[in-house]
Amino acid sequence: KNEVEQSPQNLTAQEGEFITINCSYSVGISALHWLQQHPGGGIVSLFMLSSGKKKHGRLIATINIQEKHSSLHITASHPRDSAVYICAVRSQGAQKLVFGQGTRLTINP
Amino acid sequence: DAGITQSPRYKITETGRQVTLMCHQTWSHSYMFWYRQDLGHGLRLIYYSAAADITDKGEVPDGYVVSRSKTENFPLTLESATRSQTSVYFCASSAEDRDYGYTFGSGTRLTVV
Repeated sequence: KNEVEQSPQNLTAQEGEFITINCSYSVGISALHWLQQHPGGGIVSLFMLSSGKKKHGRLIATINIQEKHSSLHITASHPRDSAVYICAVRSQGAQKLVFGQGTRLTINP
Repeated sequence: DAGITQSPRYKITETGRQVTLMCHQTWSHSYMFWYRQDLGHGLRLIYYSAAADITDKGEVPDGYVVSRSKTENFPLTLESATRSQTSVYFCASSAEDRDYGYTFGSGTRLTVV
C-alpha cells in the first residue's frame, strides 16, 4: 500500500461543477502539498498545509491531521482547471516529499 | 530571472552515452531535489541535497550521479544512459524553513534511443 493514496484517479465533470479530490496518507507528516500539472507542463505548487484550511481563488484545500486526510475542492470548475492534481506529504523529520499517484481532472465545456 | 531553471528542456541521446541535466536556482534554497516522472509510477525521488557538498540517495538512484559544489546548481548525470531512463526529470528546491513550500523546474524530457 502506498503511503499516499489519492481518489479518484480520474475525474470528468462539466463546467461549473464543484470538484473534490481526496488524499489519504499513512505516516505522520509535517506538511501536505497540493500540486497541479497541466498536460506536458511543469508542476505548480497550489497549497502547503499543516492544519486547517486554505483558500486561493476558486481552490480550497483542507486537512484533518487526526484522520490523515486532505481534500482539494474546486468551485465553479472551468476547462482550464483540467490538469493532474498531485498530493504530496513531507514526513516528520524529513524534507523530501512522498507523492500520490495523481488525479487526472477533465472539465468539459 | 529569478527562479529555478532546468536545461535542456528536451534531450535525445543514445544508449551508453553520458548525459547531464542541469538545474539552477536563484533563491539560495538549501534543499534541492531530482525527481523522475513516469506513467504508472508518478514522481519518484532520485537524489536530493541538503546543502552544498551534501547529497543523499532517494528511491531510485541507480545509474545516476549528482554533485553540488555550489548552492545554486544541482546537476544530474546519467553515466551510461539506458532506455529505462527515458523519462521526464524535474528539479525542485526548498528553503530550510519547514514552513516554506517547494518550487519545481519546468522539467527535462529525456529520450534514450
